[in-house]
This record gives sequence, structure tokens and C-alpha cells, in this order.
Amino acid sequence: DADVTQTPRNRITKTGKRIMLECSQTKGHDRMYWYRQDPGLGLRLIYYSFDVKDINKGEISDGYSVSRQAQAKFSLSLESAIPNQTALYFCATSDPRTAEETQYFGPGTRLLVL
Amino acid sequence: GESVGLHLPTLSVQEGDNSIINCAYSNSASDYFIWYKQESGKGPQFIIDIRSNMDKRQGQRVTVLLNKTVKHLSLQIAATQPGDSAVYFCADASGNTPLVFGKGTRLSVIA
Repeated sequence: DADVTQTPRNRITKTGKRIMLECSQTKGHDRMYWYRQDPGLGLRLIYYSFDVKDINKGEISDGYSVSRQAQAKFSLSLESAIPNQTALYFCATSDPRTAEETQYFGPGTRLLVL
Repeated sequence: GESVGLHLPTLSVQEGDNSIINCAYSNSASDYFIWYKQESGKGPQFIIDIRSNMDKRQGQRVTVLLNKTVKHLSLQIAATQPGDSAVYFCADASGNTPLVFGKGTRLSVIA
């Protein structure tokens, strides 16, 4: 969905480096999410934010941090990257005002940690 | 805690046949489910949803069935086409917390 964008789309980094993945949305949604996808494991929630002042840990938050800079921006940081953080990362948004709170996903960031 | 799983990791069907993708859930209080389709290189996209006050919901070529007794739901795709090839996820969207996704089933359509 072009309304949710992620940068970079691909990233190669080295063990121990700090990196940031960024997500922007033009949908006007209050809620934003970061997921990680690994082969055979589906999507796992890292962090989520229900509004600018709200940050919540998900299922696998260790080794990650987030910042909700504005309603439209939600960034994910790997403080000290390690190889098992190699994965596909997705940002998503949702609107709690709708009866069906569908999540809209960005195109993903493919991260390789060497 | 909640878990949402799929019965088969892969499914191959002939073009034109119907496809059935299954999903089981563990929380008997769950009352809202969403099916997502993820094509290669893209993020998941909403296909169809269903609430527990319904047993069946139909969309364009897709039908979702919900059996609350055995905590099972399925996604049926009629006249499967090559463009249906993707990974399909069921998600439990019942709570105030974010979605709980199943592991996904990869559907391959044989021309």
C-alpha cells in the first residue's frame, strides 16, 4: 500500500552496528506497528503505538527500540545489530475509529546482519 | 496465551480448482478474524474478515467459514487463478492488543 512507506527497502549491516528503519504513513491513522517476519514463523509483533505518546512492547521487543516522532512516523532501531535479527521487517497502521480495524502494511525492509 | 495456526504450510492447486486454507485458534473468546494475502516482495493485504456472529462471509471469489464449536476457520478461493499464488495468513483481531497472526500457508497455483 503506497500510503505506508518504509525506508530503506534493503539494508546490509554488520554485527554491533546501530541502525534505524523508518516508517511513514499518509493514512492519518493513529495506530502504528512494527513486525518481523522470518521464514516459517509468520509475522511477530515487535512494538506498537496507539498514539504519539503511547509505546508498547510486543512479543519480541528485546534488542529493539522505537520512536513515534509524529502521528505519521514510527521508527524502529536496532541498538546493536546481531545476525539473528536478519529478517523482513514490516510497518503497519490501523484506524481504531473503524469497526473493522484492518491493518495496512508497508512494503517491508529486508535486513541482513553480517 | 492466544495462538493462531494453520494446518498446512503449503498448498498446491490446479488453476480453476477451488482452494481451501484452514486455520485453528485457541482462545474461545476470540470473536473477530481477518485473512491476509501476502504476495512475493510485498506486505500483507486484507482479503476478508468475519465476526463471531456470523458463520460465513462471502467476498469476490472468496468465502470465509467460521466454526466456533471447534475453533476453526477456513478461507475458500473459488476458481483459483495464478494471481492467487501467495502466502495466506489468518489473524485473530479480537482483542484490544494488536493482531495475532498465524504462520501462513503458501498457495501455489499450477497452470
